Amino acid sequence: GAVVSQHPSRVICKSGTSVKIECRSLDFQATTMFWYRQFPKQSLMLMATSNEGSKATYEQGVEKDKFLINHASLTLSTLTVTSAHPEDSSFYICSANRDSHTDTQYFGPGTRLTVL
Amino acid sequence: AQSVTQPDIHITVSEGASLELRCNYSYGATPYLFWYVQSPGQGLQLLLKYFSGDTLVQGIKGFEAEFKRSQSSFNLRKPSVHWSDAAEYFCAVGALEANNLFFGTGTRLTVIP
Repeated sequence: GAVVSQHPSRVICKSGTSVKIECRSLDFQATTMFWYRQFPKQSLMLMATSNEGSKATYEQGVEKDKFLINHASLTLSTLTVTSAHPEDSSFYICSANRDSHTDTQYFGPGTRLTVL
Repeated sequence: AQSVTQPDIHITVSEGASLELRCNYSYGATPYLFWYVQSPGQGLQLLLKYFSGDTLVQGIKGFEAEFKRSQSSFNLRKPSVHWSDAAEYFCAVGALEANNLFFGTGTRLTVIP
């Protein structure tokens, strides 16, 4: 159990377009989901924490108007990169806490975004 | 400030040899400690975690880690490495009262025949 999926796994887009990444908890309810960004050969950096039905909490330095997060249900959170630029190219990873076990995060496989 | 240090960027070991990956942390509250493994193209998989109790914790795939409060360390070990263990390993620290996880920069493990 505790499987998290992400879609798409890889996306290439033109500069100025918007890209939506989905994160789903497949076999459990996730009241809290997290979005991370991972640069090559670097660690994961938390971007934001989202709770179902409420606004996301963004980490310092993360533009909330650029990285729109929606956590519409207990199994789905989306990250939309608006007006993407080449510097937004990165590996985006989501994770989720199980509803009754908030101590451990379960990670999705990640989405590789390339902005041309 | 919270931080996690993995001093070894890349480690190469022979198959069958023992392995130890180092992790040191700095955290103001009582730490919860994790080790995750990331294979190419895969998500992070939880290997083991320490919350309290016995400082030697057993994880999946034959891994274990020991929490040493006096050294602020949580090193990962495996007595005999398999070729399938080649991956990137991340140490992370968090706390139950705060959802944030702080990750180290990772250690890439290469296993040679």
